[in-house]
Amino acid sequence: GAVVSQHPSRVICKSGTSVKIECRSLDFQATTMFWYRQFPKQSLMLMATSNEGSKATYEQGVEKDKFLINHASLTLSTLTVTSAHPEDSSFYICSALLRGGVGLTDTQYFGPGTRLTVL
Amino acid sequence: EDKVVQSPLSLVVHEGDTVTLNCSYEVTNFRSLLWYKQEKKAPTFLFMLTSSGIEKKSGRLSSILDKKELFSILNITATQTGDSAIYLCAVKLTAGNKLTFGGGTRVLVKP
Repeated sequence: GAVVSQHPSRVICKSGTSVKIECRSLDFQATTMFWYRQFPKQSLMLMATSNEGSKATYEQGVEKDKFLINHASLTLSTLTVTSAHPEDSSFYICSALLRGGVGLTDTQYFGPGTRLTVL
Repeated sequence: EDKVVQSPLSLVVHEGDTVTLNCSYEVTNFRSLLWYKQEKKAPTFLFMLTSSGIEKKSGRLSSILDKKELFSILNITATQTGDSAIYLCAVKLTAGNKLTFGGGTRVLVKP
């Protein structure tokens, strides 16, 4: 089946630093990837849609200058949390969209997530 | 604003019990409803429902959609401790591939 990886799985950083999280589709090409964040005991909240070769589409309330997204290739999207603060501590999950083809359903495959802790 | 609501928020059962989870939605341009199981990491796909009244089944899990009343249920029969997880439902709209998730139901199955 389709596999999506994330790196790192866990990161601890100091307040004010920037952190980059990678999302890779390992055995398929994904022109579209999604970035979610999940606070403890809460559901997944979509942050942005990452489009290969073009700008990401951010959801309402998500600061595009704080959460930089780059989708430079068909198998890699990166999320950079700039000038991270303790309130950015969360579980960040990406998904990659596998196109089903004409008349078939597109399916999102999720990565294993990255736990970010900002001290 | 599109809304997906799951109930209950959490429940505790014993092995062998049956569990019913609810997901209701208010969205424009509904296309499909998906159920996921999330243990410690990423959600894993369970079912996708598009049509009303057609039950989807996978082992001890089953799910059905009611597009008239705008809800879906997920049933787990003969629960096992390995069923302990957060169960998420999400709705996909006709335009695009974005998923709107409900708040999840946390299920704990005790031996």
